[in-house]
Amino acid sequence: DAKTTQPNSMESNEEEPVHLPCNHSTISGTDYIHWYRQLPSQGPEYVIHGLTSNVNNRMASLAIAEDRKSSTLILHRATLRDAAVYYCSPQGYGNKLVFGAGTILRVKS
Amino acid sequence: DTGVSQNPRHKITKRGQNVTFRCDPISEHNRLYWYRQTLGQGPEFLTYFQNEAQLEKSRLLSDRFSAERPKGSFSTLEIQRTEQGDSAMYLCASSLVSGEKLFFGSGTQLSVL
Repeated sequence: DAKTTQPNSMESNEEEPVHLPCNHSTISGTDYIHWYRQLPSQGPEYVIHGLTSNVNNRMASLAIAEDRKSSTLILHRATLRDAAVYYCSPQGYGNKLVFGAGTILRVKS
Repeated sequence: DTGVSQNPRHKITKRGQNVTFRCDPISEHNRLYWYRQTLGQGPEFLTYFQNEAQLEKSRLLSDRFSAERPKGSFSTLEIQRTEQGDSAMYLCASSLVSGEKLFFGSGTQLSVL
């Protein structure tokens, strides 16, 4: 299974953009890159995923490096509700996700 | 779409007892996954089903753990002879097809005393 590396924690001010990095240097060529976030006492929630091109949805943007060894989740204007643990995961064989410890995002008002 | 439902939300048991958790996926989803999560860690993959077939089991799933999805709908995860190290959040997720996003339930929090 491909491994991921993310910062343990990051901090942002409310209404400012946040860039959450993820290294996945062992990703295989056909694996999608998924991002999920998790609030306390809840299951992870899907944020965004992509394969090669940058992706946008109503929650966030995903920038994928040309060599696919890293990606960045972009929250354009962080709100207090975005405070969560963010996980990136390659989507490997069988569609399963392999999570690391994630990044704790703190948002200051 | 009522989401993925897990029952019970919380379970407290004594060491050595057997416990069973249930997961009801989103109705048309044919893939179902079980994960385990301990405090401060990301979810760890345990096993997954495509319809009623169990296609992969993690080495984390010892002989005391068994999962079933008999009719390709709901699934159960049973832990026999529970140990204190089994205390964790057990998460279930489902997806429609391969390559699609996973929908997670809120989990079952197991505490083994």
